[in-house]
Amino acid sequence: EVQLVQSGAEVKRPGESLKISCRASGYSFTTYWIGWVRQMPGKGLEWMGIISPGDSNTEYSPSFQGHITISADKSISTAYLQWSSLKASDTAMYYCASPLGGDAIDYWGQGALVTVSS
Amino acid sequence: DIQMTQSPSSLSASVGDRVTITCRASQNINSQLNWYQQKPGKAPKVLIHTASVLQGGVPSRFSGSGSGTDFTLTINSLQPEDFATYYCQQSHITLWTFGQGTKVEVK
Repeated sequence: EVQLVQSGAEVKRPGESLKISCRASGYSFTTYWIGWVRQMPGKGLEWMGIISPGDSNTEYSPSFQGHITISADKSISTAYLQWSSLKASDTAMYYCASPLGGDAIDYWGQGALVTVSS
Repeated sequence: DIQMTQSPSSLSASVGDRVTITCRASQNINSQLNWYQQKPGKAPKVLIHTASVLQGGVPSRFSGSGSGTDFTLTINSLQPEDFATYYCQQSHITLWTFGQGTKVEVK
């Protein structure tokens, strides 16, 4: 069974760093892209960026470039999303997701709520 | 990047109604358009991929059409479980983008 299991909810202060994870199982991790999607409270879905775990090729949305880093560890089939300096505006639900079936994102993690507050 | 514009942003409908949501891309994306349904507190679920192909397990009352820049999601005979938010998403380029969403509410 294909699963994307994300790390738990986080509460951080502005300026702190954070790395959240997405552990994949049930398929060949290096074969398919994994991406990250942000959903701010009461708002829509925003595509943040994507990584090819096989070669670590990464692309970022211009809206997030420079503020986040996406990485992957093939040895443990895990993708990461990290911030070096969080802002209050980073408060959101973050989903990892993968298009295993082709074009559409057919597998999603359960989401990780990140709260940034002083 | 490619901008996706959905309309309307929200609509009110009754069980049994036919609902139509449109999505426009800022450039030609051929048929690389997907539709998702999201319910509160849940991850999105793909309904239709490649503009018109129904994802496995999705009821046949959902249908998609269009190509190029203009696309439509239709829900025939709206059911109680269909009240949710719907998003389009282009997969024409790796930097995928979503529409802003359409919330389908009870009339």
